[in-house]
Amino acid sequence: AQSVTQPDIHITVSEGASLELRCNYSYGATPYLFWYVQSPGQGLQLLLKYFSGDTLVQGIKGFEAEFKRSQSSFNLRKPSVHWSDAAEYFCAVGARSDYKLSFGAGTTVTVRA
Amino acid sequence: DAGVTQSPTHLIKTRGQQVTLRCSPKSGHDTVSWYQQALGQGPQFIFQYYEEEERQRGNFPDRFSGHQFPNYSSELNVNALLLGDSALYLCASSLWGQVYQETQYFGPGTRLLVL
Repeated sequence: AQSVTQPDIHITVSEGASLELRCNYSYGATPYLFWYVQSPGQGLQLLLKYFSGDTLVQGIKGFEAEFKRSQSSFNLRKPSVHWSDAAEYFCAVGARSDYKLSFGAGTTVTVRA
Repeated sequence: DAGVTQSPTHLIKTRGQQVTLRCSPKSGHDTVSWYQQALGQGPQFIFQYYEEEERQRGNFPDRFSGHQFPNYSSELNVNALLLGDSALYLCASSLWGQVYQETQYFGPGTRLLVL
């Protein structure tokens, strides 16, 4: 069964600074990989996803993620964060044999002025 | 176009009671998945419905059951509530066979508190 580890529970970053959120997955084959963001009182919003091909994926809100098979990682990055990026971020993996997502425990991002 | 809607937004129940949560998928979507998100955790897959049948199930006991109606809306039922069932319950809608290719949309969730 697939699983996801997000090593950082909480990250604080200054507005305008860069952000990187780590995600490691466990899955025997090439997985489908996702990053979602959840703001308080909101549902999950998809930032980006990786299926195959180019390992650098561009998403919404200026986010990008890089798939590294050798490291089983799919880290999320943003060059310059805005106060509105404060939220909870979840990495998820999906197996190609079924349609259920396995989520990590999430990383809370706080943006300081 | 309304996205995924869920009702109620909040719910308080006592141990042993039963609860029903409702979900209306995004227009055009035919598949509904349910997730449980405990406080401080990521969502966990409960089950998925398509064509009014449960198609996949996660590691949840039989106390968790569901239903999908002809209009694709869905219900999640939980019997004999336990304190540990307190969580945010998320509904997600998608197109069958394209759950990954097409964006899976999540609703805002129902916050269940079991006392």
